[in-house]
Amino acid sequence: AQSVTQPDIHITVSEGASLELRCNYSYGATPYLFWYVQSPGQGLQLLLKYFSGDTLVQGIKGFEAEFKRSQSSFNLRKPSVHWSDAAEYFCAVDLYSGGGADGLTFGKGTHLIIQP
Amino acid sequence: DAMVIQNPRYQVTQFGKPVTLSCSQTLNHNVMYWYQQKSSQAPKLLFHYYDKDFNNEADTPDNFQSRRPNTSFCFLDIRSPGLGDAAMYLCATSRDRGEHTFGSGTRLTVV
Repeated sequence: AQSVTQPDIHITVSEGASLELRCNYSYGATPYLFWYVQSPGQGLQLLLKYFSGDTLVQGIKGFEAEFKRSQSSFNLRKPSVHWSDAAEYFCAVDLYSGGGADGLTFGKGTHLIIQP
Repeated sequence: DAMVIQNPRYQVTQFGKPVTLSCSQTLNHNVMYWYQQKSSQAPKLLFHYYDKDFNNEADTPDNFQSRRPNTSFCFLDIRSPGLGDAAMYLCATSRDRGEHTFGSGTRLTVV
């Protein structure tokens, strides 16, 4: 079965420092991969996605992620975090099994705390 | 702006009293999803409509039903809410296998 692992439940980073959030997936075929961000009490906003092609993808708010097939990873990075980046971050994999669409499997999320 | 709208944002219902959550979209996406997100957990897919075809997840309780009367609207019906059904319910849409666009969610409280 497909699964997504985000090994870090909480991460604390100082404002202005760099950030890397880890994501590993287990999937039998070429995955569609996503990173979403969720502020408290809100829905999820798409940061970036990987379907195919260039393995380094750029997203909104200065985020980027790199797909590494050999490591089954899709880590999210940002060179300099801002206090407004404090939120919950979810990595997700498309559940596609050959039909039209099958929804997403999410990791358990990483709670990002920004220190002043 | 094209978007996914969920109403209401907050819903309080009594234990065992049927409740309906609604979702509408202006994106003209053919797929609509309902996810359940309990406190401090990841969203979990309940079911989705691919066009008019309903797809239920194997572990979604029978207590949860859905209707999609047209492309723009989708409803989540909880026939007899229990305390364990208190959660944020997220509606999302996609065009085929594309990325999801999420609504702001409905937070359900069962009293």
